[in-house]
Amino acid sequence: DAGITQSPRYKITETGRQVTLMCHQTWSHSYMFWYRQDLGHGLRLIYYSAAADITDKGEVPDGYVVSRSKTENFPLTLESATRSQTSVYFCASSDLYATTGKIFGNQPQHFGDGTRLSIL
Amino acid sequence: ELKVEQNPLFLSMQEGKNYTIYCNYSTTSDRLYWYRQDPGKSLESLFVLLSNGAVKQEGRLMASLDTKARLSTLHITAAVHDLSATYFCAVRTNFGNEKLTFGTGTRLTIIP
Repeated sequence: DAGITQSPRYKITETGRQVTLMCHQTWSHSYMFWYRQDLGHGLRLIYYSAAADITDKGEVPDGYVVSRSKTENFPLTLESATRSQTSVYFCASSDLYATTGKIFGNQPQHFGDGTRLSIL
Repeated sequence: ELKVEQNPLFLSMQEGKNYTIYCNYSTTSDRLYWYRQDPGKSLESLFVLLSNGAVKQEGRLMASLDTKARLSTLHITAAVHDLSATYFCAVRTNFGNEKLTFGTGTRLTIIP
């Protein structure tokens, strides 16, 4: 089915380990985003990508690494996990045009179902 | 730095009542979004507001935008239990890119 999928849905790991969260979208959207959601902070942008091989930092990038070699995939890696990175992670995608081609520049971001990550 | 504030953060209201959620943002922006999130679920887009005076309505929800006041409102009419959720507003950070800054959300609970 078309859409945006995240994996895994749940992950428990230990401090110091490397963990990668996957995000895949089938719309060929140009933009992809990674957010973390924590109580009292809403959603905070970690990294985003405007196209394949183009990435940039968001509000809270420290401790995270991203890559985007293909338009449809945008993995997020925690190189050495810390307890403060326990959170719910959402991937999102968007594009400048609606599929009908009629609307420019006002498409909402479409979110995946999230990954709940616990670091012990 | 763009800041987005929502109030109230928590709202309990009775079925059948009307209420408004407010979203203030600190710098000029040309696009504002409203999202809904059910507990443990993803975010669902509700409205996209593009210009000053824009008003969008869907069922019992109506969103408006005043770019001069840097204020958006989400009005709930005759609330029903199904509207219980957390509502987020989000503002495009800079012209020319698609980054959004989210408010902290308003958790709405509709009491029968």
